[in-house]
Amino acid sequence: EVRLVESGGGLVQPGGSLRLSCAASGFTFNNYDMNWVRQAPGKGLEWVSHISSSSSAIYYADSVKGRFTISRDNAKNSLYLQMNSLRADDTAVYFCARVFGNWGQGTLVTVSS
Amino acid sequence: EIVLTQSPGTLSLSPGERATLSCRASQSVSSDHLAWHQQKPGQAPRLLIYGASSRATGVPDRFSGSGSGTDFTLTITRLEPEDFAVYYCQHYRSSPYTFGPGTKLEIK
Repeated sequence: EVRLVESGGGLVQPGGSLRLSCAASGFTFNNYDMNWVRQAPGKGLEWVSHISSSSSAIYYADSVKGRFTISRDNAKNSLYLQMNSLRADDTAVYFCARVFGNWGQGTLVTVSS
Repeated sequence: EIVLTQSPGTLSLSPGERATLSCRASQSVSSDHLAWHQQKPGQAPRLLIYGASSRATGVPDRFSGSGSGTDFTLTITRLEPEDFAVYYCQHYRSSPYTFGPGTKLEIK
């Protein structure tokens, strides 16, 4: 069974940092490109970042460029999102998703003082 | 940046009816790079269609996707109660891999 399990969300003050993790199982992780996608409360889906299977191609939405860093560890079947300089408008549920595949259940990030 | 527009914003239909959802891109998108996702309240999204017309694993055959270029369609024949949800299209032609704003399919 394919599973993606996010962790690392929580409450953080504006300007703070968080590192999200996504543990993958049930498929050959190092064969697949991965995305982070977020959803602010009551809003639609917003693509955040993409990383290719070998980490050779990395892309970011303009809204997070320069503040967020995507990475992966294929040996650990894990995807990461380092989020720095967090702002109130980064408050959202963050999902990891395999490109053309399964989604995780999401982890909530709340940026508030 | 490719902008995806979905219509209608809300679609009110009854179980057993046919639903036709539209996704229009501001630039041409290869059929290989267009996907549809379904999201029910309080749940994570679920991939329905990739490559514009290929059903993801476990997706019932009442769901079908079609289209090319800038115009794509998701069709649901014979709506079931569990099909009422929000549907998003997404492209992978070039970064940013944007989503459309979604179509809410509600019970009439």
